[in-house]
Amino acid sequence: GQQLNQSPQSMFIQEGEDVSMNCTSSSIFNTWLWYKQDPGEGPVLLIALYKAGELTSNGRLTAQFGITRKDSFLNISASIPSDVGIYFCAGLLPGNNDMRFGAGTRLTVKP
Amino acid sequence: SAVISQKPSRDICQRGTSLTIQCQVDSQVTMMFWYRQQPGQSLTLIATANQGSEATYESGFVIDKFPISRPNLTFSTLTVSNMSPEDSSIYLCSVAGGPDTQYFGPGTRLTVL
Repeated sequence: GQQLNQSPQSMFIQEGEDVSMNCTSSSIFNTWLWYKQDPGEGPVLLIALYKAGELTSNGRLTAQFGITRKDSFLNISASIPSDVGIYFCAGLLPGNNDMRFGAGTRLTVKP
Repeated sequence: SAVISQKPSRDICQRGTSLTIQCQVDSQVTMMFWYRQQPGQSLTLIATANQGSEATYESGFVIDKFPISRPNLTFSTLTVSNMSPEDSSIYLCSVAGGPDTQYFGPGTRLTVL
């Protein structure tokens, strides 16, 4: 019930294409976070969303907190080779710092 | 955001031995966490490191296997005890930022032979 379903599992795209990935759950989350992890590194926070319906951008990245508080998506526009990595969604459950992670989306960008 | 460092960055260990991983933060933080990331997998919370009291472990993780210290608000250690090849993972510490975010260290890549 508190698990996050992240899709797609992997994506192979051409440089310049747009990318979209999402996370869904049967549980309500207070906060949605999107992280990127490069090989050999820890996850780096990209975008944090705190309110249902919130739409936030960070450069070419845009993320939205679903109205039902049970889902979120991340879009990357005009992808570039350095976008390669694994993207994780994470949701914070109400009332505490209990964070759940999606399984990750592995993005490959072909030049 | 806080700057987090971990030592060692990687290690190769023999079965049956123990390894202690250190996590240092450049500012005082209330909440610190330890995660495990098995090869090709997502992150799983091991425990919350509490300053001045015993860590709070998640289901499936026990203190005898993963003892944790938190002597002050900027430092914590995680020990992986009596290691087996199944313990080969990346171990990550994180800190609660504000509001409602967590920032991660660079991770410790552990290989157990």
